[in-house]
Amino acid sequence: VLTQSPGTLSVSPGERATLSCRASQSVSSNYLVWYQQKSGQAPRLLMYGASTRASGIPDRFSGSGSGTDFTLTISRLEPEDVAVYYCQHYGTSPLFGGGTKVEI
Amino acid sequence: QVQLVQSGAEVRKPGASVKVSCRASGYTFSAHYVHWVRQAPGQGLEWMGFINPNSGSTNYAQNFQDRVALTRDASITTVYMELSGLTSDDTAVYFCARINRVGPAAMLDFWGQGTLVTVSS
Repeated sequence: VLTQSPGTLSVSPGERATLSCRASQSVSSNYLVWYQQKSGQAPRLLMYGASTRASGIPDRFSGSGSGTDFTLTISRLEPEDVAVYYCQHYGTSPLFGGGTKVEI
Repeated sequence: QVQLVQSGAEVRKPGASVKVSCRASGYTFSAHYVHWVRQAPGQGLEWMGFINPNSGSTNYAQNFQDRVALTRDASITTVYMELSGLTSDDTAVYFCARINRVGPAAMLDFWGQGTLVTVSS
């Protein structure tokens, strides 16, 4: 099970947002992925291998962690970062966390 | 460029089946597994299964084991998701997505636009 916290995060523009993804047992960071989903859109790949930004993702997004605890950080929130963020572990049966909604 | 284009919205009655298509272009179809993920209204993402477009082999989530079938037609680079025994709980947007690998890492890097399936009597 992947547990994301908080459920909703309210952040002012320019401030830092820190999102957590906790696994119920240790997982490989190679298979820990973050997606961004804006309202009415398909999810978009944000980060893979826990800490590698996907193509075109701004460097204000960063990922870290290992074992059971992973973090997605948005260093300076922009209005266009309002979205729901999901972590995923690509294991034998890929699993998504419940998501964190980031709002301004 | 890589694209996954899904078929349009569907409405079905309870007990019926639905078949959603996902047409791939811009890459070697046989080289990337295709996954299906659904999202009920206001809810999170739920993984359903994947298909190997090369061999046709599949792997389904336990929740859908008995009701879902993923198939492909390589001649038209299209993957299909058929869900049977529909109930109102199956009302959701269904997404297809391509798996990609970079070194040891794996990720769903391109997604279809989603297909809304509404189950209502």
